[in-house]
Amino acid sequence: EAQVTQNPRYLITVTGKKLTVTCSQNMNHEYMSWYRQDPGLGLRQIYYSMNVEVTDKGDVPEGYKVSRKEKRNFPLILESPSPNQTSLYFCASSLYNGQGLGNTEAFFGQGTRLTVV
Amino acid sequence: AQKVTQAQTEISVVEKEDVTLDCVYETRDTTYYLFWYKQPPSGELVFLIRRNSFDEQNEISGRYSWNFQKSTSSFNFTITASQVVDSAVYFCALRGRAYGNKLVFGAGTILRVKS
Repeated sequence: EAQVTQNPRYLITVTGKKLTVTCSQNMNHEYMSWYRQDPGLGLRQIYYSMNVEVTDKGDVPEGYKVSRKEKRNFPLILESPSPNQTSLYFCASSLYNGQGLGNTEAFFGQGTRLTVV
Repeated sequence: AQKVTQAQTEISVVEKEDVTLDCVYETRDTTYYLFWYKQPPSGELVFLIRRNSFDEQNEISGRYSWNFQKSTSSFNFTITASQVVDSAVYFCALRGRAYGNKLVFGAGTILRVKS
């Protein structure tokens, strides 16, 4: 079954304690991205990756890091989480068909609800 | 800039009523793609439809229909004969090549269908 898997689904942590949210896809997609969802703001892109070792900032990258060492994995790292990073996070992947991403849908993970106290 | 506006924050209807969710977008791309996603109470994002900027044909899928009008930069979503299971947050999104193919979301519309 084609899917994007995020872990953990729920996480409560304390300010300043480093954490990693994992994301893995089994569709051999080149493009992966992270979003955060906040009430009234929809989903905003944090970081994205066009392929292995190629990453770039999205709209709200401050306080986050990513890596793309393997095509299937795209972890999100919070080096020193703060309460304003409490949010619902989604990982997504898309196929890059050589003509651009536009005509392909994004497949989303189940979401990770993070609370930083 | 690329922007999606869903002006309706929340809509409440009674079962079997028809409901239209509005989506207005802004982009300087000539080639772009529009999407609708559903987020039920369980939280996952469910893909509903994709439409490219060259295809203004309306689409119907069961009780769902979409009306794309480039002249008004709108991509509205109608649910006919709504059901309680339609209760969810619905997101409209835009992707354009001039903006690195980033998927830009609207703020979402909460739809509550009461029995």
